Amino acid sequence: DTGVSQDPRHKITKRGQNVTFRCDPISEHNRLYWYRQTLGQGPEFLTYFQNEAQLEKSRLLSDRFSAERPKGSFSTLEIQRTEQGDSAMYLCASSYGGQSGEQYFGPGTRLTVT
Amino acid sequence: DAKTTQPTSMDCAEGRAANLPCNHSTISGNEYVYWYRQIHSQGPQYIIHGLKNNETNEMASLIITEDRKSSTLILPHATLRDTAVYYCIVRVAGSQGNLIFGKGTKLSVKP
Repeated sequence: DTGVSQDPRHKITKRGQNVTFRCDPISEHNRLYWYRQTLGQGPEFLTYFQNEAQLEKSRLLSDRFSAERPKGSFSTLEIQRTEQGDSAMYLCASSYGGQSGEQYFGPGTRLTVT
Repeated sequence: DAKTTQPTSMDCAEGRAANLPCNHSTISGNEYVYWYRQIHSQGPQYIIHGLKNNETNEMASLIITEDRKSSTLILPHATLRDTAVYYCIVRVAGSQGNLIFGKGTKLSVKP
Protein backbone atom coordinates (compact mmCIF):
# COMPACT_ATOMS: atom_id res chain seq x y z
CA ASP A 1 0.00 0.00 0.00
CA THR A 2 1.56 3.23 -1.13
CA GLY A 3 -1.11 5.63 0.12
CA VAL A 4 -3.25 7.97 -1.93
CA SER A 5 -1.76 8.86 -5.30
CA GLN A 6 -2.69 11.63 -7.69
CA ASP A 7 -1.79 12.22 -11.31
CA PRO A 8 -0.51 14.50 -12.69
CA ARG A 9 1.34 16.34 -9.94
CA HIS A 10 1.48 19.52 -11.99
CA LYS A 11 -0.62 20.77 -14.90
CA ILE A 12 -0.28 23.98 -16.85
CA THR A 13 -3.07 24.77 -19.25
CA LYS A 14 -4.40 27.68 -21.23
CA ARG A 15 -7.67 29.33 -20.33
CA GLY A 16 -10.58 27.63 -21.99
CA GLN A 17 -9.00 24.17 -22.17
CA ASN A 18 -10.36 21.10 -20.38
CA VAL A 19 -8.29 19.24 -17.81
CA THR A 20 -8.75 15.93 -16.01
CA PHE A 21 -7.10 14.77 -12.81
CA ARG A 22 -6.95 11.26 -11.41
CA CYS A 23 -6.92 10.03 -7.82
CA ASP A 24 -6.18 6.49 -6.65
CA PRO A 25 -7.25 6.04 -3.03
CA ILE A 26 -5.96 3.55 -0.49
CA SER A 27 -7.33 0.25 -1.73
CA GLU A 28 -9.65 -0.69 1.13
CA HIS A 29 -11.07 2.81 1.58
CA ASN A 30 -14.67 3.25 0.45
CA ARG A 31 -14.84 7.03 0.87
CA LEU A 32 -13.12 9.48 -1.44
CA TYR A 33 -13.01 13.27 -1.18
CA TRP A 34 -11.87 16.10 -3.44
CA TYR A 35 -10.66 19.42 -2.00
CA ARG A 36 -9.27 22.58 -3.54
CA GLN A 37 -6.61 24.73 -1.91
CA THR A 38 -5.54 28.22 -2.93
CA LEU A 39 -2.45 30.01 -1.68
CA GLY A 40 -2.56 30.85 2.01
CA GLN A 41 -5.87 29.10 2.62
CA GLY A 42 -6.81 25.76 4.08
CA PRO A 43 -8.28 23.10 1.79
CA GLU A 44 -11.92 23.62 0.77
CA PHE A 45 -14.27 20.71 0.19
CA LEU A 46 -15.50 20.07 -3.34
CA THR A 47 -17.19 16.68 -3.42
CA TYR A 48 -17.39 13.27 -1.75
CA PHE A 49 -18.02 9.68 -2.86
CA GLN A 50 -18.98 6.62 -0.93
CA ASN A 51 -18.08 3.73 -3.19
CA GLU A 52 -19.29 4.84 -6.63
CA ALA A 53 -22.05 7.14 -5.37
CA GLN A 54 -21.41 10.87 -5.30
CA LEU A 55 -23.12 11.85 -2.05
CA GLU A 56 -22.29 15.50 -1.60
CA LYS A 57 -21.18 18.44 -3.71
CA SER A 58 -20.06 21.85 -2.51
CA ARG A 59 -21.47 25.01 -4.05
CA LEU A 60 -17.86 25.64 -5.08
CA LEU A 61 -18.33 22.85 -7.62
CA SER A 62 -19.71 24.82 -10.54
CA ASP A 63 -21.24 23.16 -13.59
CA ARG A 64 -17.83 23.28 -15.27
CA PHE A 65 -16.60 20.71 -12.74
CA SER A 66 -17.50 17.04 -12.82
CA ALA A 67 -16.24 14.14 -10.77
CA GLU A 68 -16.66 10.42 -11.21
CA ARG A 69 -15.75 7.25 -9.42
CA PRO A 70 -17.03 4.64 -11.86
CA LYS A 71 -16.17 1.40 -10.08
CA GLY A 72 -15.75 2.67 -6.59
CA SER A 73 -12.00 2.66 -6.91
CA PHE A 74 -10.15 5.52 -8.61
CA SER A 75 -11.78 8.87 -9.23
CA THR A 76 -11.43 11.59 -11.86
CA LEU A 77 -12.08 15.32 -11.56
CA GLU A 78 -12.63 17.18 -14.82
CA ILE A 79 -12.70 20.93 -15.24
CA GLN A 80 -14.13 22.19 -18.51
CA ARG A 81 -13.37 25.60 -20.02
CA THR A 82 -10.78 26.40 -17.40
CA GLU A 83 -10.53 29.91 -16.00
CA GLN A 84 -7.63 31.62 -14.28
CA GLY A 85 -9.55 31.42 -11.01
CA ASP A 86 -9.34 27.64 -11.22
CA SER A 87 -5.61 27.81 -10.54
CA ALA A 88 -5.14 25.95 -7.27
CA MET A 89 -3.95 22.74 -5.68
CA TYR A 90 -6.51 19.95 -6.06
CA LEU A 91 -6.29 17.43 -3.24
CA CYS A 92 -7.80 13.98 -2.99
CA ALA A 93 -8.35 12.14 0.27
CA SER A 94 -9.73 8.76 1.20
CA SER A 95 -11.02 7.15 4.36
CA TYR A 96 -12.30 3.82 5.57
CA GLY A 97 -15.26 5.31 7.33
CA GLY A 98 -14.87 3.62 10.67
CA GLN A 99 -15.35 5.28 14.03
CA SER A 100 -12.18 7.34 13.82
CA GLY A 101 -12.81 8.42 10.25
CA GLU A 102 -9.48 10.10 9.62
CA GLN A 103 -8.83 11.04 6.04
CA TYR A 104 -5.59 10.31 4.22
CA PHE A 105 -4.53 12.83 1.63
CA GLY A 106 -2.64 12.50 -1.60
CA PRO A 107 0.14 14.89 -2.66
CA GLY A 108 -2.21 16.98 -4.78
CA THR A 109 -2.29 18.22 -8.37
CA ARG A 110 -1.20 21.80 -8.84
CA LEU A 111 -3.12 23.44 -11.68
CA THR A 112 -1.95 26.65 -13.30
CA VAL A 113 -4.25 28.28 -15.83
CA THR A 114 -2.52 30.86 -18.03
CA ASP B 1 -16.90 28.20 8.34
CA ALA B 2 -14.29 26.64 10.58
CA LYS B 3 -15.43 26.23 14.18
CA THR B 4 -11.95 26.69 15.60
CA THR B 5 -9.61 29.60 16.27
CA GLN B 6 -5.83 29.24 16.08
CA PRO B 7 -2.92 31.69 16.16
CA THR B 8 -1.64 32.56 12.71
CA SER B 9 1.95 31.64 13.42
CA MET B 10 4.33 30.36 16.08
CA ASP B 11 8.05 29.76 16.41
CA CYS B 12 9.75 26.96 18.30
CA ALA B 13 13.39 26.12 18.92
CA GLU B 14 14.57 22.77 17.63
CA GLY B 15 14.50 20.11 20.36
CA ARG B 16 12.04 22.02 22.50
CA ALA B 17 8.36 21.21 22.92
CA ALA B 18 5.97 22.92 20.56
CA ASN B 19 2.58 23.72 22.12
CA LEU B 20 -0.07 24.67 19.60
CA PRO B 21 -3.33 26.04 21.04
CA CYS B 22 -6.82 25.83 19.57
CA ASN B 23 -10.08 27.35 20.74
CA HIS B 24 -13.33 25.57 19.96
CA SER B 25 -15.79 27.18 22.35
CA THR B 26 -18.90 26.03 20.43
CA ILE B 27 -17.93 22.36 20.25
CA SER B 28 -20.83 19.94 20.61
CA GLY B 29 -20.86 16.94 22.89
CA ASN B 30 -20.43 14.45 20.07
CA GLU B 31 -17.70 16.34 18.23
CA TYR B 32 -14.09 15.26 18.35
CA VAL B 33 -11.03 17.45 18.00
CA TYR B 34 -8.80 16.45 15.08
CA TRP B 35 -5.35 17.74 14.21
CA TYR B 36 -3.78 17.64 10.78
CA ARG B 37 -0.62 19.23 9.48
CA GLN B 38 0.51 20.23 6.03
CA ILE B 39 4.16 20.41 5.15
CA HIS B 40 4.93 22.74 2.27
CA SER B 41 3.76 21.41 -1.12
CA GLN B 42 2.35 18.21 0.39
CA GLY B 43 -1.17 17.06 1.22
CA PRO B 44 -2.42 17.33 4.81
CA GLN B 45 -1.36 14.58 7.20
CA TYR B 46 -3.49 13.23 10.05
CA ILE B 47 -1.84 13.61 13.45
CA ILE B 48 -4.23 12.75 16.27
CA HIS B 49 -7.79 13.15 17.50
CA GLY B 50 -9.65 13.01 20.81
CA LEU B 51 -12.99 13.54 22.49
CA LYS B 52 -12.36 14.56 26.09
CA ASN B 53 -9.50 12.47 27.41
CA ASN B 54 -5.91 13.36 26.68
CA GLU B 55 -4.45 11.32 23.85
CA THR B 56 -0.90 10.41 22.87
CA ASN B 57 0.56 8.65 19.86
CA GLU B 58 3.95 8.40 18.25
CA MET B 59 3.64 11.84 16.70
CA ALA B 60 2.10 14.05 19.37
CA SER B 61 -0.01 14.51 22.49
CA LEU B 62 -3.42 16.15 22.60
CA ILE B 63 -4.57 17.89 25.76
CA ILE B 64 -8.25 18.85 25.89
CA THR B 65 -9.52 21.10 28.68
CA GLU B 66 -12.19 19.76 31.00
CA ASP B 67 -14.85 22.04 29.53
CA ARG B 68 -13.67 20.97 26.03
CA LYS B 69 -13.63 24.56 24.83
CA SER B 70 -9.95 24.48 23.97
CA SER B 71 -7.11 22.08 23.32
CA THR B 72 -3.36 22.00 22.86
CA LEU B 73 -1.33 19.89 20.48
CA ILE B 74 2.10 19.10 21.87
CA LEU B 75 5.07 18.04 19.79
CA PRO B 76 7.45 16.96 22.57
CA HIS B 77 10.76 17.43 20.78
CA ALA B 78 10.27 19.55 17.69
CA THR B 79 12.56 19.03 14.71
CA LEU B 80 13.07 21.09 11.57
CA ARG B 81 10.86 18.59 9.75
CA ASP B 82 7.93 19.60 11.95
CA THR B 83 7.81 22.99 10.25
CA ALA B 84 4.32 23.02 8.75
CA VAL B 85 0.83 24.49 8.95
CA TYR B 86 -1.15 22.80 11.72
CA TYR B 87 -4.93 22.61 11.46
CA CYS B 88 -7.32 22.03 14.35
CA ILE B 89 -10.72 20.70 13.22
CA VAL B 90 -13.84 19.66 15.11
CA ARG B 91 -16.21 17.09 13.66
CA VAL B 92 -18.37 14.19 14.65
CA ALA B 93 -16.20 11.07 14.68
CA GLY B 94 -17.00 8.61 11.97
CA SER B 95 -19.22 11.10 10.20
CA GLN B 96 -19.29 10.89 6.46
CA GLY B 97 -18.76 14.56 6.02
CA ASN B 98 -15.84 16.55 4.79
CA LEU B 99 -13.25 18.24 6.93
CA ILE B 100 -13.65 22.00 7.37
CA PHE B 101 -10.23 23.61 7.47
CA GLY B 102 -9.44 27.06 8.79
CA LYS B 103 -6.18 28.82 8.05
CA GLY B 104 -4.29 26.91 10.73
CA THR B 105 -1.10 27.83 12.57
CA LYS B 106 2.18 28.12 10.70
CA LEU B 107 4.77 26.54 13.00
CA SER B 108 8.38 27.40 12.23
CA VAL B 109 10.97 25.27 14.00
CA LYS B 110 14.28 27.09 14.13
CA PRO B 111 17.76 25.65 14.73
